[in-house]
Formats: sequence, structure tokens, C-alpha cells
Amino acid sequence: QVQLVQSGGEVRKPGASVKVSCKASGYTFTAYYMHWVRQAPGQGLEWMGWINPHSGDTNYAQQFQGRVTMTRDTSVSTVYMELNSLRSDDTAVYYCARAKYDSSDSWGEGTLITVSS
Amino acid sequence: SYVLTQPPSVSVAPGETVRVTCGGIKIVTYHVHWYQQKPGQAPVLVIYDDNDRPSGIPERFSGSNSGDTATLTIDRVEAGDEADYYCQVGISTGNPRNHFFGPGTKVTVL
Repeated sequence: QVQLVQSGGEVRKPGASVKVSCKASGYTFTAYYMHWVRQAPGQGLEWMGWINPHSGDTNYAQQFQGRVTMTRDTSVSTVYMELNSLRSDDTAVYYCARAKYDSSDSWGEGTLITVSS
Repeated sequence: SYVLTQPPSVSVAPGETVRVTCGGIKIVTYHVHWYQQKPGQAPVLVIYDDNDRPSGIPERFSGSNSGDTATLTIDRVEAGDEADYYCQVGISTGNPRNHFFGPGTKVTVL
């Protein structure tokens, strides 16, 4: 079965960077795009962007352009999301989610990133 | 950017039908997807491409899309359906496809 296993929670200071990983199993890694979605405490879902694991092509939501980088390592079926210049309002649970055309049919468990001085 | 609107909350008695709306300009031109999220859990896809159900999702869940409004319908509501529900669309505007979520609707089972 499809499994997306994310790295553990992290605490960072404002201005720092964080890199979250998402290891996929149970399907052909390069056959499905991967989205990253975040959710601030008590708030809704916010789409951050996607990566094509086959080509490495990416597309980022406008509000994250210049601050986010999505990469992949096909040898270990893992995608990564790095967010720079962290602010307190970046505190959120970050999810990876496998793309099924325009929807997301499998989600990771989420990674809590806390930004605090 | 594309703005989606949802009612913040709806309430329903067990066994009744609840409809959650998702508004957007000419939303009928896009495929709409719906996610259920329970507290402390990751979202789960319950409807994709307007009205298709992933395997394992009960037939009680259905969707429709017309004009400026898409609707998620849950028939014979159960206590376990209490959750937040989000609509989502993917849009190409001459660039790679971008995705947008609605603000979410809390469904409370009375």
C-alpha cells in the first residue's frame, strides 16, 4: 500500500532554514507528482507547490517563491521541502501528498515545524 | 490567484443529509476535489473530479459541480463524519498548474 513517511518535528529560530523529508513506498516513486501542503495551528490547508520526481521539475505557489526549494532523491524514493528565512507565521504542520492528477490521494502524517526565538 | 469560499460551519442531525458548498467564479470549468480532516489527522480524499469516490469511501459521499458552486453531499450522516471538509481545485493559467484550497467547513453532528 502507498505510504508516505515524513521526518520528525523541528524547532527553529526566526531567520533559520528547515528541510523536511518524505519517503515514499508502495508505488513507483517517479510516476506521481508530489505536493507539499501546510496547515498553521487552527487554520486551513495551504498549497505550497509540487515536484515531479521523474524530472525534478517544480512549481511553487507565488507566496513561497524565493523561499522554498523542493528536491528529490530517486535512489531513496524521497522528496524534500526546504523553507528558508523562517518567520513565526511559518509555524505549521507540513504535509507531503501524492498527486492523483489534480487531487492528492495519499498524505504523509505531517511534520510540525515550530519557529520560535 | 483563485478564491474559493466555504461556509465556516454546518450542523446536521444523525441520519440526515448535509451539503457543504464551495464557491468560485465559474468553478464548473474546473475539477473539484474534497478532503475530510479529523482533529490531529492528515486530510483524506473523499471526492475527486467533482463526483468520483476513491476506493473505501462510502457511497453516502457524493459531489456535484455547477455554475459557481460545487457541493459535497453526505447522506445518512453518522457521528464519524464529524470533521473539517476542504474543497480544492487545480488551475492552469498559462503556467504550470497551481492548486487552491477553500477555507474549510466544520461539519458538526448534533
